[in-house]
Amino acid sequence: AQSVAQPEDQVNVAEGNPLTVKCTYSVSGNPYLFWYVQYPNRGLQFLLKYITGDNLVKGSYGFEAEFNKSQTSFHLKKPSALVSDSALYFCAVRDTSNDYKLSFGAGTTVTVRA
Amino acid sequence: DSGVTQTPKHLITATGQRVTLRCSPRSGDLSVYWYQQSLDQGLQFLIQYYNGEERAKGNILERFSAQQFPDLHSELNLSSLELGDSALYFCASSGSSGSRPSDIETQYFGPGTRLLVL
Repeated sequence: AQSVAQPEDQVNVAEGNPLTVKCTYSVSGNPYLFWYVQYPNRGLQFLLKYITGDNLVKGSYGFEAEFNKSQTSFHLKKPSALVSDSALYFCAVRDTSNDYKLSFGAGTTVTVRA
Repeated sequence: DSGVTQTPKHLITATGQRVTLRCSPRSGDLSVYWYQQSLDQGLQFLIQYYNGEERAKGNILERFSAQQFPDLHSELNLSSLELGDSALYFCASSGSSGSRPSDIETQYFGPGTRLLVL
């Protein structure tokens, strides 16, 4: 079975500071990993993904994530956070060995204070 | 805008009733996925259709059913509704025949239908 853990319910940072949202995963095969962001009363917006290749992937709005196979992690990062980054962030995984579905973490609420 | 549309945006109904949620995928996308988002369960995968056929099933109740039509739009039918079915229901699509291989896996989400069962 595949699963995702986002160990922090909330992350609070000051504007201009680095932002990190943590994600660890569990799959039996190789993972496809995704980050989505959800603003209030909106759908999920795709940020970035890891399928294969370079472990550091760059996505929308200045976000990036690093795939670490040995630590089974896929942390989302942004060097300098903006107030407009305040939202709910979801990590998701698909186990390529057995299924097509995405399994989502519980989500991390990011608050960036001015 | 992801290109995935869902109707209606909001739905208020009573227990025991039946509702139909509609989803139009991005142009050319062959796969449609349905998810339920609730405060206690988080985001849960319900079901996937690919080019009209059911491909994967998740935590979907027997009272719920879905289908994908020849024009690739999909409907999620929820019947004998209970208070606990109140949630945000998302549709996502992926896998356009014209997609690059690296894009096929990305699911693009619609704005959701907020269902309230009273």
